[in-house]
Amino acid sequence: AQSVAQPEDQVNVAEGNPLTVKCTYSVSGNPYLFWYVQYPNRGLQFLLKYITGDNLVKGSYGFEAEFNKSQTSFHLKKPSALVSDSALYFCAVRLILDSSYKLIFGSGTRLLVRP
Amino acid sequence: NAGVMQNPRHLVRRRGQEARLRCSPVKGHSHVYWYRQLPEEGLKFMVYLQKENIIDESGMPKERFSAEFPKEGPSILRIQQVVRGDSAAYFCASSPNPTVGYVSNQPQHFGDGTRLSIL
Repeated sequence: AQSVAQPEDQVNVAEGNPLTVKCTYSVSGNPYLFWYVQYPNRGLQFLLKYITGDNLVKGSYGFEAEFNKSQTSFHLKKPSALVSDSALYFCAVRLILDSSYKLIFGSGTRLLVRP
Repeated sequence: NAGVMQNPRHLVRRRGQEARLRCSPVKGHSHVYWYRQLPEEGLKFMVYLQKENIIDESGMPKERFSAEFPKEGPSILRIQQVVRGDSAAYFCASSPNPTVGYVSNQPQHFGDGTRLSIL
């Protein structure tokens, strides 16, 4: 079965400190990888994706993520957190050969950035 | 440009009633996906449709749930005889035709969801 794991329900960081939100996946086949952010009572906003090429991808709002094939991980990072980054973050995968193009989501990690 | 529009934003139904959730995709997008989010959980895929066709409904319960995406008008997710366990946020996402070249690796665009509450 295909699955995405976000092992931390919540991550707490102080403003200005670096942050990492972890994601690992277990799929049969090659995936595309995505990070989305969700603010209260809103839909998901796309942050970044890994398709191929450089393992470090940069996205919106200063976020970046590192793809590690051997560890099947795609951790989200930011060098300096802002209070406004506080939200719910979802990692998702889509199998390249899945003809339905559906996303498989992790359970989400709540990021809390304190002033 | 308008994004994915979902309505209503909030819907309250009593057990046994019907719920209809509507989704208008991004202009020009021909493919729609429905996901369900239970409290404190991630999104779970329900169904994938293109205009007038259901492509994949493997995530949708076999009974009481149906979806359509007619040639004209929004996509509709219909839940008949709702039960308390149907209470969730239902999200719609859209994309251009993902079988066309580079589009296959583009992100889906999500609406703000419909929060369904069953009394």
